[in-house]
Amino acid sequence: KQEVTQIPAALSVPEGENLVLNCSFTDSAIYNLQWFRQDPGKGLTSLLLIQSSQREQTSGRLNASLDKSSGRSTLYIAASQPGDSATYLCAVSIIQGAQKLVFGQGTRLTINP
Amino acid sequence: EAGVAQSPRYKIIEKRQSVAFWCNPISGHATLYWYQQILGQGPKLLIQFQNNGVVDDSQLPKDRFSAERLKGVDSTLKIQPAKLEDSAVYLCASSLWQGETQYFGPGTRLLVL
Repeated sequence: KQEVTQIPAALSVPEGENLVLNCSFTDSAIYNLQWFRQDPGKGLTSLLLIQSSQREQTSGRLNASLDKSSGRSTLYIAASQPGDSATYLCAVSIIQGAQKLVFGQGTRLTINP
Repeated sequence: EAGVAQSPRYKIIEKRQSVAFWCNPISGHATLYWYQQILGQGPKLLIQFQNNGVVDDSQLPKDRFSAERLKGVDSTLKIQPAKLEDSAVYLCASSLWQGETQYFGPGTRLLVL
């Protein structure tokens, strides 16, 4: 059974710092991996999607890496801003009957001005 | 392009009552998902539709939860009777097809007293 773990559960850093969020998964047989952002009281917004054949994806100040063999992904946020405060969720896409997402529990990020 | 719409946004009921949630996916999206997100956890897939057919409902508590997707567009999720542990946010998402990027609605926050 695929399990996704995110560490740390919560992180608080001062504005301007670079930071890394971690995600690990137990089964390397994944179709792709996604990072989502969730703001309080709102749904999820997809930030980056990495196909299983890829090593990394970049969007603006965000960079996500994938090491499928070790079951790890990282989300790197450069020059953090207060607007980056949110919960970040990692999800792997697996094929189990149908293709579906298995989520981690998320990292709650707070950027202090 | 309009996003995924959900209603109601909030619902408070007493245990053993019934409740229904509604979702209108993005126009043209064939795949629709219902997730349950308990506080402090990542979303858990309850049921996945492809057009108006169910492709995965392995984690749906079928003794109390039911869902349908009328004419392959709108969907309703029902809980009858509700239990305290059903308190959660119920998220609806849609995608063009299985495995494509999922777009999430704002969710319905359910509190069972």
